[in-house]
Amino acid sequence: QPVLTQPPSASASLGASVTLTCTVSSDYSDHKVDWYQQRPGKGPRFVMRVGTGGIVGSKGDGIPDRFSVLGSGLNRYLTIEHIQEEDEGDYHCAADHGSGSNFVWVFGGGTKLTVL
Amino acid sequence: EEQLVESGGGLVQPGGSLRLSCAASGLSFSDYAFFWVRQAPGKGLEYVAAIGSDGASTYYARSVRGRFTISRDSSKNTLYLHMGSLRVEDTAVYSCARSIVVSGSPRDDWGQGTLVTVSS
Repeated sequence: QPVLTQPPSASASLGASVTLTCTVSSDYSDHKVDWYQQRPGKGPRFVMRVGTGGIVGSKGDGIPDRFSVLGSGLNRYLTIEHIQEEDEGDYHCAADHGSGSNFVWVFGGGTKLTVL
Repeated sequence: EEQLVESGGGLVQPGGSLRLSCAASGLSFSDYAFFWVRQAPGKGLEYVAAIGSDGASTYYARSVRGRFTISRDSSKNTLYLHMGSLRVEDTAVYSCARSIVVSGSPRDDWGQGTLVTVSS
């Protein structure tokens, strides 16, 4: 099954931009990845799905245009522009693998984004 | 407004059992697959179990297979997680999520979770 790797932390100043990275293991270079935002004390919220060609499908409900994704090689990026206080929280990437009894849903370790 | 609300968490001793519920409202319950995900204190998200829209197909993470059972009751618009032979390492906030199908579609609605603490 794929392994998704995320740096544990990131920070950015209010109004600046930040790019979060999710790296898929080398045998799964074609895998699409979902990004989820989790604000403090809240449940996760779907942001968008990204493949090597960029966004797949639509953004999650209420996700602003400031959020965008890019896929390159083994990396799946989430960029947040014009960062606001409400963007602070944990960002998780995830991917499905397998089907039937072999289905698994794999998560990265999450990146804690601090807005300075 | 669509809403998923978990309940049933609490303190349980190792080896004990617990049943979690996820009440769904504002959506056509029978149209969706559902998942349980957990997050241990200070850790990342971990997939626990999934169930297809018809309830006939169920899937489990290796860490809970044989101890946990996922089920659903369409008459009550409720998802369940029966947890048995609980271990200290099962301590976590358990959240439910839904998607169109089990594999291949994003989980675009989640609950806030219910805390399960396994301790003597």
